[in-house]
Amino acid sequence: AQSVAQPEDQVNVAEGNPLTVKCTYSVSGNPYLFWYVQYPNRGLQFLLKYITGDNLVKGSYGFEAEFNKSQTSFHLKKPSALVSDSALYFCAVRRGSGGYQKVTFGTGTKLQVIP
Amino acid sequence: DVKVTQSSRYLVKRTGEKVFLECVQDMDHENMFWYRQDPGLGLRLIYFSYDVKMKEKGDIPEGYSVSREKKERFSLILESASTNQTSMYLCASSLDPYNRADTQYFGPGTRLTVL
Repeated sequence: AQSVAQPEDQVNVAEGNPLTVKCTYSVSGNPYLFWYVQYPNRGLQFLLKYITGDNLVKGSYGFEAEFNKSQTSFHLKKPSALVSDSALYFCAVRRGSGGYQKVTFGTGTKLQVIP
Repeated sequence: DVKVTQSSRYLVKRTGEKVFLECVQDMDHENMFWYRQDPGLGLRLIYFSYDVKMKEKGDIPEGYSVSREKKERFSLILESASTNQTSMYLCASSLDPYNRADTQYFGPGTRLTVL
């Protein structure tokens, strides 16, 4: 079985400060990892993904995420937060081998950027 | 850009009614998905389809059925709506069911209230 944990229901950060949204995963074999963002009253939008290679992945809107195999983590980061980054963020995992595997989403972390 | 549309943004139904939620994608994607989103539970997969007339159960299929008669359209059916089916329903599509790095494209969601 595969699972994703987002340990923080909400993260508050001041505008201009760096932000981190945490994600840890559990999966057998190599993971495919994703971050999605949901703005108020909208569907989810893809931000970035890790498949293989460089542990630092860059995505949309200045976000990046660092894959750490030993800690089974895939934390989302941004050097300088904007008020417009306030949204709900979902981490997701998929097993990278074997038969067809669905994507498993985390419970989401609400990011609040304070002006 | 991929566009995934859902027939209603908001829907109010009564207990026992049969409810249809429609989803259409315009990019010839093979995969389509129905999720429900609840606070603290994240996204949970109800059903998915990797081809016309094909369907697979997700994590929480009880009380739901689906129909995919055409490639671009995936319907979610609540045969007899109950109050515990009050939720946000999200439709998604993705291009290739055998590509584990495939990203999903989401519709705006339907907020269903069952009274």
